[in-house]
Amino acid sequence: DTEVTQTPKHLVMGMTNKKSLKCEQHMGHRAMYWYKQKAKKPPELMFVYSYEKLSINESVPSRFSPECPNSSLLNLHLHALQPEDSALYLCASSPGQGVGNSPLHFGNGTRLTVT
Amino acid sequence: DQQVKQNSPSLSVQEGRISILNCDYTNSMFDYFLWYKKYPAEGPTFLISISSIKDKNEDGRFTVFLNKSAKHLSLHIVPSQPGDSAVYFCAARRLYAGGTSYGKLTFGQGTILTVHP
Repeated sequence: DTEVTQTPKHLVMGMTNKKSLKCEQHMGHRAMYWYKQKAKKPPELMFVYSYEKLSINESVPSRFSPECPNSSLLNLHLHALQPEDSALYLCASSPGQGVGNSPLHFGNGTRLTVT
Repeated sequence: DQQVKQNSPSLSVQEGRISILNCDYTNSMFDYFLWYKKYPAEGPTFLISISSIKDKNEDGRFTVFLNKSAKHLSLHIVPSQPGDSAVYFCAARRLYAGGTSYGKLTFGQGTILTVHP
């Protein structure tokens, strides 16, 4: 069982919809991440939160809006997405942001389909 | 610019034999390397890692070797088991000025490992 929990597992949304992806971890980690993975491609970083503050935005379009309500929760708000945004969205956490040698722990992802 | 490369898209191995997965990188600022395993419909699972100050790290059936001069690392699985069949990703972390990596991992394209009974 993964210690990073993502909901929902699957999501189908229209281009005019607003939806949110949720991620939760209870490992006491202070860094949380959103990655996007297209089919047959490696995961690509979207956002990094460190101590509940946005630390990195990898030039992600504004139709993706991250939020970190507290150290255990990470949301990704979606609005006016395009079909090419269909992908597996992965949440991850680590004890700290890039300090020391600690791996990222990933959730099982949300499979998003934009119609 | 693909800084982490896994040149073999797939590898097929007989159960009980050794699986060797390879990874090459181009950025000499990478200081920490990781291997992840991914099953379909699941997120990547951390397997093993190695710091750039070491050349080998072992954990049970998994051993990672790092050759800094060649900018090459490999994952050895001995003995291979059918349950090891999955996609394996190599990932690397770069250190920036001030000694932080900002938590950013760069992944290779992945290698599909199939272990036949």
